[in-house]
Amino acid sequence: DGGITQSPKYLFRKEGQNVTLSCEQNLNHDAMYWYRQDPGQGLRLIYYSQIVNDFQKGDIAEGYSVSREKKESFPLTVTSAQKNPTAFYLCASSKRLAGLANTGELFFGEGSRLTVL
Amino acid sequence: KNEVEQSPQNLTAQEGEFITINCSYSVGISALHWLQQHPGGGIVSLFMLSSGKKKHGRLIATINIQEKHSSLHITASHPRDSAVYICAVPRGTGNQFYFGTGTSLTVIP
Repeated sequence: DGGITQSPKYLFRKEGQNVTLSCEQNLNHDAMYWYRQDPGQGLRLIYYSQIVNDFQKGDIAEGYSVSREKKESFPLTVTSAQKNPTAFYLCASSKRLAGLANTGELFFGEGSRLTVL
Repeated sequence: KNEVEQSPQNLTAQEGEFITINCSYSVGISALHWLQQHPGGGIVSLFMLSSGKKKHGRLIATINIQEKHSSLHITASHPRDSAVYICAVPRGTGNQFYFGTGTSLTVIP
């Protein structure tokens, strides 16, 4: 079945370490996103990519990096520069509809919970 | 001010009750999304609607574009409906969204 796979589901990091969260989709979607979820807050956009080899910063990109070398993959690296990385991270994808604003359904992965020790 | 406001924040219901979750937004939109986040954390899309009403099983979503308001109804609620329900509306033209903070629903047997 088509969908989005995130790994790992749980990840522990020591301060000063970089960690990479994996996101793979087989939906043939052009657009992919990384969101951060904290208790009591709505999802916040970290990075998004509308097409291979292109990505844009979201609202809270500081301390994070991404790459989009393949259509199906959009890994997120949480760097040591991220001051408060403990959170739940969600990857999503949607069809890219050129010229139309936001009419695509979002598909989400199961999430990755990162804890800094 | 949040662009998307949901109410209530938390909701507890007895099995079988009719449930309503509300979403108000302040921006002009082309479509509104209702999402369900299950206890494990994954999110699924329930509805995407731009006018009127949509129904899927026991779930019904309505939207009033003029009043900038949408409701999600659950008929004959069941403990498996326990989840966080999130409203989202488009933002700009880059497939970005404003998300509500969610309504946490618990259905008691």
